[in-house]
Amino acid sequence: KAGVTQTPRYLIKTRGQQVTLSCSPISGHRSVSWYQQTPGQGLQFLFEYFSETQRNKGNFPGRFSGRQFSNSRSEMNVSTLELGDSALYLCASSSVGGVTEAFFGQGTRLTVV
Amino acid sequence: DQQVKQNSPSLSVQEGRISILNCDYTNSMFDYFLWYKKYPAEGPTFLISISSIKDKNEDGRFTVFLNKSAKHLSLHIVPSQPGDSAVYFCAAKNPYGGSQGNLIFGKGTKLSVKP
Repeated sequence: KAGVTQTPRYLIKTRGQQVTLSCSPISGHRSVSWYQQTPGQGLQFLFEYFSETQRNKGNFPGRFSGRQFSNSRSEMNVSTLELGDSALYLCASSSVGGVTEAFFGQGTRLTVV
Repeated sequence: DQQVKQNSPSLSVQEGRISILNCDYTNSMFDYFLWYKKYPAEGPTFLISISSIKDKNEDGRFTVFLNKSAKHLSLHIVPSQPGDSAVYFCAAKNPYGGSQGNLIFGKGTKLSVKP
């Protein structure tokens, strides 16, 4: 069974640009959550999608958005990039949102210069 | 305010000895806890979990203990191996969802196991 796949693995963008990250969950999983990891801050929750609907949203500015498609694949978008957006962005899928463990992808390392 | 706390940012242990990683939580309604291990440039991988109806769960070299009255859990690794060197995250299942999502994570403890 394939794991969670995130693309791209690495990305370098300039301040002010926008970026789109992609996540393909484990087959059959309908819940996808996104996290931002920065040094010393652990995993900060961005949002969760379940059956194409945003179910939970973290305390991030509106520049951060996401969506989920009918095949459960998810994308997150960050507009007007700032230097502070440099981080590892992680996607996690689970079979039913909020129950038991979540399975993480390898992440996308975003660097904003 | 942090609801899941890992107060030790780092821990260094000799190979073969016991590693004890600690985690505290503030919300007595949390009833399911998980530990994840993370290597650099990789996503976290699930390690072990425990439900609040138990006070101990064991899986090979890994044991998690839960003390509900103290709102404290710990992960024991015996014996520790150099390959265990990683960042360990404690997480609590959040029954409320909302702005913290379904899993609330601590900030992690970096474990270094010296040969």
